[in-house]
Amino acid sequence: DTEVTQTPKHLVMGMTNKKSLKCEQHMGHRAMYWYKQKAKKPPELMFVYSYEKLSINESVPSRFSPECPNSSLLNLHLHALQPEDSALYLCASSQGGLTTDTQYFGPGTRLTVL
Amino acid sequence: GENVEQHPSTLSVQEGDSAVIKCTYSDSASNYFPWYKQELGKRPQLIIDIRSNVGEKKDQRIAVTLNKTAKHFSLHITETQPEDSAVYFCAATPDNYGQNFVFGPGTRLSVLP
Repeated sequence: DTEVTQTPKHLVMGMTNKKSLKCEQHMGHRAMYWYKQKAKKPPELMFVYSYEKLSINESVPSRFSPECPNSSLLNLHLHALQPEDSALYLCASSQGGLTTDTQYFGPGTRLTVL
Repeated sequence: GENVEQHPSTLSVQEGDSAVIKCTYSDSASNYFPWYKQELGKRPQLIIDIRSNVGEKKDQRIAVTLNKTAKHFSLHITETQPEDSAVYFCAATPDNYGQNFVFGPGTRLSVLP
């Protein structure tokens, strides 16, 4: 399996809802990432997990809560979001370790907050 | 922190012509420079990358050049085809572990038949 998968593809939620985004990879990668991408903009890094530990948190509001249950799975828990949080949420993975390597992206979850 | 600029923001070429997109970066510690292609509604996909110890890399119709002294790198696409139409993002990473990718703002390439 050489792909990063994400579920759901689309999500519509109200500002009081709690939902979760899921990302999975079976490439043996040990680094996983969450990005946010607004329309016509580049991906913006939110969180990085390296060997299941949070290594980078780019000052993301606490209404976004990441979780890495194991080396293949990455979740993003959403609570009390704002309409401006509507965006494409991309997951990515890379081998991890001591050298720079390529990040492979999932297809994304398109989130709409009403 | 690292800052990546990308030019042009839009580029239209005739099918068969070449296209060149240029990126500049600010952090001299950056050591890895990937290029991603993103078609409408799809995921970013790596098309080519280059490391700081290499000046040029080619893969069929695509090439990337790196000038570390000037802190810029460029994507070259030859014999463009309509399916090359997409948004192209460059990125740089100053992080030794290659985790903190900083993307350029993107170039929308249109290849006209």
